[in-house]
Amino acid sequence: DSGVTQTPKHLITATGQRVTLRCSPRSGDLSVYWYQQSLDQGLQFLIQYYNGEERAKGNILERFSAQQFPDLHSELNLSSLELGDSALYFCASSVVRQGAEAFFGQGTRLTVV
Amino acid sequence: AQKVTQAQTEISVVEKEDVTLDCVYETRDTTYYLFWYKQPPSGELVFLIRRNSFDEQNEISGRYSWNFQKSTSSFNFTITASQVVDSAVYFCALSEASLGKIIFGKGTRLHILP
Repeated sequence: DSGVTQTPKHLITATGQRVTLRCSPRSGDLSVYWYQQSLDQGLQFLIQYYNGEERAKGNILERFSAQQFPDLHSELNLSSLELGDSALYFCASSVVRQGAEAFFGQGTRLTVV
Repeated sequence: AQKVTQAQTEISVVEKEDVTLDCVYETRDTTYYLFWYKQPPSGELVFLIRRNSFDEQNEISGRYSWNFQKSTSSFNFTITASQVVDSAVYFCALSEASLGKIIFGKGTRLHILP
């Protein structure tokens, strides 16, 4: 158990809908990362937050947004969902140290039908 | 630009054979960090090792060993005497000190056949 908790584990929704994925980082970790894993794209970095502030951005679509709250949990919002958004979404967290390894949650499997 | 290449998409070996997973990276930073992660069939991502750019010492942990060579921008991973439980997708990753984000290669799917 990595200590990173993601909910829900599975989500099935229709095209055009909006969903929110939730992540609780390991105790003491201030940095949170979101990744998308699809079959053909591997693990794609979406966005990183550090202590509530956006730190780095990857190829995150405009339909997607994220935030990190004062209690350090993070949410990834996906809107106007398309079939191609079906993927495994991972959250990871790390301590505040240069080059710190990230510990991953179990992921949320999103299926858009 | 930050990039990680794992040229081997899929490898199959028979149990007890040694296997090496290749990883080549690109970065403009002089300070960077390299990682290996394992993703077993259950789906979670498990951290295996972290290396910084100033430490080229090879590392061994049980049946696992890692060879870091800055001259060839490679960070290869060898499993000795492979076991069926080693079957998984293995990801190499890179983090630049200036950016912080961790970028992953596309992974190598390893099948250990009994």
